[in-house]
Amino acid sequence: DIQMTQSPSSLSASVGDRVTITCRASQSISTYLNWYQQTPGKAPKLLVYAASSLQSGVPSRFSGSGSGTDFTLTISSLQPEDFATYYCQQSYSTLYTFGQGTKLGI
Amino acid sequence: QVQLQESGPGLVKPSETLSLTCTVSGGFIKYYYWSWIRQSPGKGLEWIGYIYYSGTTNYNPSLKSRVTISVDTSKNQFSLNLSSVTAADTAVYYCARVGYSGSAQSAFDIWGQGTMVTVSS
Repeated sequence: DIQMTQSPSSLSASVGDRVTITCRASQSISTYLNWYQQTPGKAPKLLVYAASSLQSGVPSRFSGSGSGTDFTLTISSLQPEDFATYYCQQSYSTLYTFGQGTKLGI
Repeated sequence: QVQLQESGPGLVKPSETLSLTCTVSGGFIKYYYWSWIRQSPGKGLEWIGYIYYSGTTNYNPSLKSRVTISVDTSKNQFSLNLSSVTAADTAVYYCARVGYSGSAQSAFDIWGQGTMVTVSS
């Protein structure tokens, strides 16, 4: 299995802050990396696919970067609705695996 | 737009089989891969497996011996059976579509709302 490790596990921030979440793969996965946002009681929502492509309808304050084993999700200016848990997921192997999540709170 | 809806019992007894169905509306099940993913209470996401509309499947090795995913294109539905369940299988179960980008990279681009399944006697 390809292990995905996110850091930090939790993060406190304020509205307007710039926030970066990191995801590391246990082996090179090129750009086969996706990011999801999950709010309590809801299904995850795809934010970024192929490491840096923004899913349709996702605000431009979200951006993704990286390749190989190291990836980042950046929120340029936090909005109240962005307080959620974020997951990375690799699609390099069809044994899909997710990171453990990063909980972004106030 | 395409929407997914899970259905099935919310309570399953230990050692029995968990059975869920995902209904695809607003689009066709053909030409896509469809997945099941679960999330144990307070924990992360675990991919269970996927099925192509033609019936080709791929399962997580950790669950492979107990999982069967099937598809019914006439009903625009796909289903999950998980046998010999234990309390460890208690989770929210999601169905999701596997979408592909222009560069042939995949992601779970559409999700159902999820259904909570509790394993308990």
